[in-house]
Amino acid sequence: DQQVKQNSPSLSVQEGRISILNCDYTNSMFDYFLWYKKYPAEGPTFLISISSIKDKNEDGRFTVFLNKSAKHLSLHIVPSQPGDSAVYFCAANLLNGNKLVFGAGTILRVKS
Amino acid sequence: NAGVTQTPKFRILKIGQSMTLQCTQDMNHNYMYWYRQDPGMGLKLIYYSVGAGITDKGEVPNGYNVSRSTTEDFPLRLELAAPSQTSVYFCASSGQGTYGYTFGSGTRLTVV
Repeated sequence: DQQVKQNSPSLSVQEGRISILNCDYTNSMFDYFLWYKKYPAEGPTFLISISSIKDKNEDGRFTVFLNKSAKHLSLHIVPSQPGDSAVYFCAANLLNGNKLVFGAGTILRVKS
Repeated sequence: NAGVTQTPKFRILKIGQSMTLQCTQDMNHNYMYWYRQDPGMGLKLIYYSVGAGITDKGEVPNGYNVSRSTTEDFPLRLELAAPSQTSVYFCASSGQGTYGYTFGSGTRLTVV
């Protein structure tokens, strides 16, 4: 049972345009959400996070939006750059839990 | 500051062989995790530890064992390797539960 779903395996975007990566979850007890970025042959690195009490968090070119009623979050990258090409994982933390549940990942390709 | 170090980076095992994947961190983190990444499946939690001497099963623990005798080290043991264990293995640590994993660079294991 996949509790965190990233339904788009890949996304291709032109440099300078917006990239939107989506994530859906099923467990209403998730209280914190994170996005990780992964380059080939490297481990994932933390990108941005959002608490369930917020609906938006922004960090430079990266913004995460949370829609609790729809159990949906999205990561916006504006403007997209070729260096953003990577795999992006959505992850969620269970209330009072101490481990993350990850989605399957979305491969982002930014074309120059 | 090395962060999380995993060895080896690559390994080929024959069916039925055993091996230990090493993971060490120098950040004095209490929480440590082992994940495996299969294509299109995201990161699945194998085992985790909330402190020295304490370990617990994750989502996919069968065929693996762990120990946590020190804060720094969290080795993952594969007994009787099977082709289904072909994967990329990531170790991670955190000083604050799930709020900020640091991942190692991974071990790519092939069982033939």
